[in-house]
Amino acid sequence: DAGVTQSPTHLIKTRGQQVTLRCSPKSGHDTVSWYQQALGQGPQFIFQYYEEEERQRGNFPDRFSGHQFPNYSSELNVNALLLGDSALYLCASSLGVGFPSTEAFFGQGTRLTVV
Amino acid sequence: SQQGEEDPQALSIQEGENATMNCSYKTSINNLQWYRQNSGRGLVHLILIRSNEREKHSGRLRVTLDTSKKSSSLLITASRAADTASYFCATDAGDDKIIFGKGTRLHILP
Repeated sequence: DAGVTQSPTHLIKTRGQQVTLRCSPKSGHDTVSWYQQALGQGPQFIFQYYEEEERQRGNFPDRFSGHQFPNYSSELNVNALLLGDSALYLCASSLGVGFPSTEAFFGQGTRLTVV
Repeated sequence: SQQGEEDPQALSIQEGENATMNCSYKTSINNLQWYRQNSGRGLVHLILIRSNEREKHSGRLRVTLDTSKKSSSLLITASRAADTASYFCATDAGDDKIIFGKGTRLHILP
């Protein structure tokens, strides 16, 4: 049973460019959440997708957008990259939404470096 | 924004000793989870404890939850070198957003 898979594992982009990160959830999971983790910090919630719709969003600008496909996989898009967007981007999958919440399983992350 | 705050920020102990990490949070929660992260890689889920539970065990891990104090603790007994990692608490306030603290960096000395 494959866990959460993310691609690519590493990425270097130039300031101002756009980037797309991909995530395949754990088998049987239908909810995908994205997190940004700066060096030495805890993960920060970006947004969550369920039934192909964005259900929740953290304090991130509109440059951060996403999509969920019918097979529950998801993409995170970041436009007009800034140096401060350099971070580890983590995808987490879980089953369903609402109480009681279940544990979330994380992928290994995509390390994005903006130069 | 961070909901949980782990304490201490860093901890070094001898192999075989017990390690205790604490987490405090601000708002009411449905559950609290502890995760481990090795060297900036993905997070590994350790334990989920619900708001109506007070204590939970998993192998060498023991988690307590005190909702009146809005705090939780993670105890790792008989620590091993492989336990060296960052440990995060994450809270779910019922809005489906799992909010993480800044983590405790645990270093097990040989």
